[in-house]
Amino acid sequence: DTEVTQTPKHLVMGMTNKKSLKCEQHMGHRAMYWYKQKAKKPPELMFVYSYEKLSINESVPSRFSPECPNSSLLNLHLHALQPEDSALYLCASSQVPYDYGYTFGSGTRLTVV
Amino acid sequence: SQQGEEDPQALSIQEGENATMNCSYKTSINNLQWYRQNSGRGLVHLILIRSNEREKHSGRLRVTLDTSKKSSSLLITASRAADTASYFCATSGSRLTFGEGTQLTVNP
Repeated sequence: DTEVTQTPKHLVMGMTNKKSLKCEQHMGHRAMYWYKQKAKKPPELMFVYSYEKLSINESVPSRFSPECPNSSLLNLHLHALQPEDSALYLCASSQVPYDYGYTFGSGTRLTVV
Repeated sequence: SQQGEEDPQALSIQEGENATMNCSYKTSINNLQWYRQNSGRGLVHLILIRSNEREKHSGRLRVTLDTSKKSSSLLITASRAADTASYFCATSGSRLTFGEGTQLTVNP
């Protein structure tokens, strides 16, 4: 298995909702990432997990809460989002150390209404 | 903040022509990577070049790296309509940081 699987592919949520994005890989990668991408812009790093521990938080607002239950799964819990949080959320994984290419999922298109 | 700058921002060519995209970066790197993204989809890793390498080939792709100028280029030879996508360079230090990207359109 050489894929990163993200669910759901599309999500529409209200500003008072709580939802979660899920990401799964079975390549044995021990680093996993969340990126946020706005239209016509490059992906921006949000969080890095290394060996299931949070190693980088790029000053992301607390309404985004990551979780890494095991070496294959990565979640992003969403609560009280704003319309400007609407974006494509990409999950990726890689080997550790970080000297290898990343494998990206196809993303979750999030719309906050 | 994003480290890389890419030029051109957009490139339109005919099928069969070569496409060259350039990337500049600001800090020291472990390696530089190129990714392709089809509209609204995930990124696909194309090629990685390490800081001690100067040139690398993969199929129709050729990547060069000049660490003294902090720049890299991606050449796609004999382009096809299916190569239409956004192309991003990304520098790897403590994290992978993407450039602004080049939108390539290959016209049939």
